[in-house]
Amino acid sequence: ILNVEQSPQSLHVQEGDSTNFTCSFPSSNFYALHWYRWETAKSPEALFVMTLNGDEKKKGRISATLNTKEGYSYLYIKGSQPEDSATYLCAFAAGTASKLTFGTGTRLQVTL
Amino acid sequence: NAGVMQNPRHLVRRRGQEARLRCSPMKGHSHVYWYRQLPEEGLKFMVYLQKENIIDESGMPKERFSAEFPKEGPSILRIQQVVRGDSAAYFCASSVLAGVNNEQFFGPGTRLTVL
Repeated sequence: ILNVEQSPQSLHVQEGDSTNFTCSFPSSNFYALHWYRWETAKSPEALFVMTLNGDEKKKGRISATLNTKEGYSYLYIKGSQPEDSATYLCAFAAGTASKLTFGTGTRLQVTL
Repeated sequence: NAGVMQNPRHLVRRRGQEARLRCSPMKGHSHVYWYRQLPEEGLKFMVYLQKENIIDESGMPKERFSAEFPKEGPSILRIQQVVRGDSAAYFCASSVLAGVNNEQFFGPGTRLTVL
């Protein structure tokens, strides 16, 4: 059974704050790591798909890093805005598996 | 370009009835994944299908659940003789290429309530 852990479980920041969360996954047999953004009552939206150790990806104010050797990925949000409020999910794939194992998410709330 | 469509969005069934959930992938996508989110839990993989083929059903309960993705038409997740424990949100996702190193696009989900 693969264990994908996300921390913190929830986070409350002020507008303008920068923040980051962690996704931990098994360090052996890595294949891919996905980050999703999931707003209430909407569909999960893909942010990044990361496959190489040391990968860094950026989309606007959001960026992510990947360390496959130690089994973690960080998601950073610079200058948080209220519209960033959502649950951020990571999902891990091992070896040649054809499925993703999701973490339970970090729920971010950004207030004015 | 329409996204992934799922219907119905909400489905209520009584114990013992059948539930049919439909997923139309994005245009040009031939890979479909079904996930289930039980109350207070995260998304759990159920099954991965390509057109007319089940590739990986390792997350699917062995009894009462089946899935198909015919040559024409949407993918169907079928739950026979539903029980209260089947109450959950069921999401499908599609991708244009095979392999979990490719982006998956999610539908809005079907919320199944079993009375």
